[in-house]
Amino acid sequence: AQTVTQSQPEMSVQEAETVTLSCTYDTSENNYYLFWYKQPPSRQMILVIRQEAYKQQNATENRFSVNFQKAAKSFSLKISDSQLGDTAMYFCAFLQGGSEKLVFGKGTKLTVNP
Amino acid sequence: EAGVAQSPRYKIIEKRQSVAFWCNPISGHATLYWYQQILGQGPKLLIQFQNNGVVDDSQLPKDRFSAERLKGVDSTLKIQPAKLEDSAVYLCASSLAATSPYGYTFGSGTRLTVV
Repeated sequence: AQTVTQSQPEMSVQEAETVTLSCTYDTSENNYYLFWYKQPPSRQMILVIRQEAYKQQNATENRFSVNFQKAAKSFSLKISDSQLGDTAMYFCAFLQGGSEKLVFGKGTKLTVNP
Repeated sequence: EAGVAQSPRYKIIEKRQSVAFWCNPISGHATLYWYQQILGQGPKLLIQFQNNGVVDDSQLPKDRFSAERLKGVDSTLKIQPAKLEDSAVYLCASSLAATSPYGYTFGSGTRLTVV
């Protein structure tokens, strides 16, 4: 079974600085997708960024980018120019190609300090 | 487009009582999911529907939890009787297809407290 590990329960960063959240996963397959979701206090899970495993190029969405290391099974999220509104829980998630189950890590609580 | 709607937002019940949660997915989304998120953990899949049929309910405690999806649209998740350990946020999500590479769209969840 696929597992997703987020080793940082909590992190903090100063406003305007850069922070990196770690995620590792375990799979024996080659076709899969990886996601980072943000969950603010409103509880809604919001998709931040996604990566297809077959793509070597790292995904980027404005201030959010990933470092996808397929051989190391690592998928870290970098947030540049952190903003107060980035304060939230961040979940790394894995979806096996052809599967139907999105598997989440335990999350990292990120606090952006003014 | 409208998002995934869930109600109620909050619910407090005593143990052994029953409770029901409602979810209305995004129009046209064939696949619907119910996740349980216990405090401090990531969401865990309880049940998945494809249209109005159950695809995966292997993690659903069937002795107390039940779910249905009427006419392949709205869905209801019920707990009867509730236990203290059922205290959690219950998230509903939907997607165009089960293997959508775009992930799922989630609702805001229902926070259940069992006392």
